[in-house]
Amino acid sequence: AQRVTQPEKLLSVFKGAPVELKCNYSYSGSPELFWYVQYSRQRLQLLLRHISRESIKGFTADLNKGETSFHLKKPFAQEEDSAMYYCALRGGNKLVFGAGTILRVKS
Amino acid sequence: DTEVTQTPKHLVMGMTNKKSLKCEQHMGHRAMYWYKQKAKKPPELMFVYSYEKLSINESVPSRFSPECPNSSLLNLHLHALQPEDSALYLCASSQTPWSRGSDTEAFFGQGTRLTVV
Repeated sequence: AQRVTQPEKLLSVFKGAPVELKCNYSYSGSPELFWYVQYSRQRLQLLLRHISRESIKGFTADLNKGETSFHLKKPFAQEEDSAMYYCALRGGNKLVFGAGTILRVKS
Repeated sequence: DTEVTQTPKHLVMGMTNKKSLKCEQHMGHRAMYWYKQKAKKPPELMFVYSYEKLSINESVPSRFSPECPNSSLLNLHLHALQPEDSALYLCASSQTPWSRGSDTEAFFGQGTRLTVV
């Protein structure tokens, strides 16, 4: 079975502060990890995936197989980053989401 | 066109009604998905269609009946629902089924907010 754990329901930071949204997973096979973001009143959209190792909107995430983690990081938070962030794991033919973390960036 | 379009946006139905949710994409994607999302919870997978055939049913009650009439359309037929079925129903698509490994990005629709009274 595949499982994704996001331990924080809410993360509140000041503008310009670093951000780290935690994600841990469990899966017996070779996983694909993703971060999805949902801005207020908008559809769920892909932020980044571990395969491409890209940086989107200043966010990065590194897959750490030893710690089974895929934490999302950004060095300087911006107000427009405020949203719900879901970590997701694809195993086989399923995409499973974590519980999500609300990021609030205060001015 | 990189959108997944869902209709209606909102639906209120009685427990004895029959209604359908519709999902459409014109990106040439051959895998389509239904998810259910309760308030303040993550999306939960319900069904996966791969090349217009049902490949995964996550033990969803039979009062939910999916249909994929062609590669662009996905329907979810609803009958005799319960109030606890009230939720946001999300449709998603990807270029190929995830088990194939290639381009695994899933595009999500805005969802249909369903209220069962």
